[in-house]
Amino acid sequence: GENVEQHPSTLSVQEGDSAVIKCTYSDSASNYFPWYKQELGKRPQLIIDIRSNVGEKKDQRIAVTLNKTAKHFSLHITETQPEDSAVYFCAASLGSGYSTLTFGKGTMLLVSP
Amino acid sequence: SQTIHQWPATLVQPVGSPLSLECTVEGTSNPNLYWYRQAAGRGLQLLFYSVGIGQISSEVPQNLSASRPQDRQFILSSKKLLLSDSGFYLCAWSVQVGNTFGSGTRLTVV
Repeated sequence: GENVEQHPSTLSVQEGDSAVIKCTYSDSASNYFPWYKQELGKRPQLIIDIRSNVGEKKDQRIAVTLNKTAKHFSLHITETQPEDSAVYFCAASLGSGYSTLTFGKGTMLLVSP
Repeated sequence: SQTIHQWPATLVQPVGSPLSLECTVEGTSNPNLYWYRQAAGRGLQLLFYSVGIGQISSEVPQNLSASRPQDRQFILSSKKLLLSDSGFYLCAWSVQVGNTFGSGTRLTVV
């Protein structure tokens, strides 16, 4: 089955800096890659996703890049703010209605004012 | 629009007691439904998923079971809780790709 590795497990940055979280996956058939943000005690929420037919997707201060050849994808957050502090999860799936998501173990991002 | 309801929000149960957590989805038909567990400070572990009424797939053998008696209802159960069953339980749904999560149930087994 699919295996998703996520690094780093913890990331501390100063407000205004950029943050990058990286994930690798094992199943070359995976073609859907979402990122979730989970604030303390709350549910994970989808913040951005990418399909394998594109290499990069951007939404304001967040962007995701995908390298299918190397089987890795990354989340980039620019101009970080304290409210970006949360746990971020990457995931991978086959992208069909019956496929399940395989999640990484999460990255705790701490943005200091 | 679609909404997902999950209850209760918190639950404290003694070891050996039964468990029933319920999840319902509104605004969509024939969704895929999922139960995840998240231990404190840990990742999301998929427990069960269902692609239709009465169809349950188990990802991890354990002390829990799931049922889908109606199209938009998903129930997580246990006959006898263990201390290790403590955690944050999340229900989720999808139609095509991705998961949308419910607000979760924080279960503490004492």
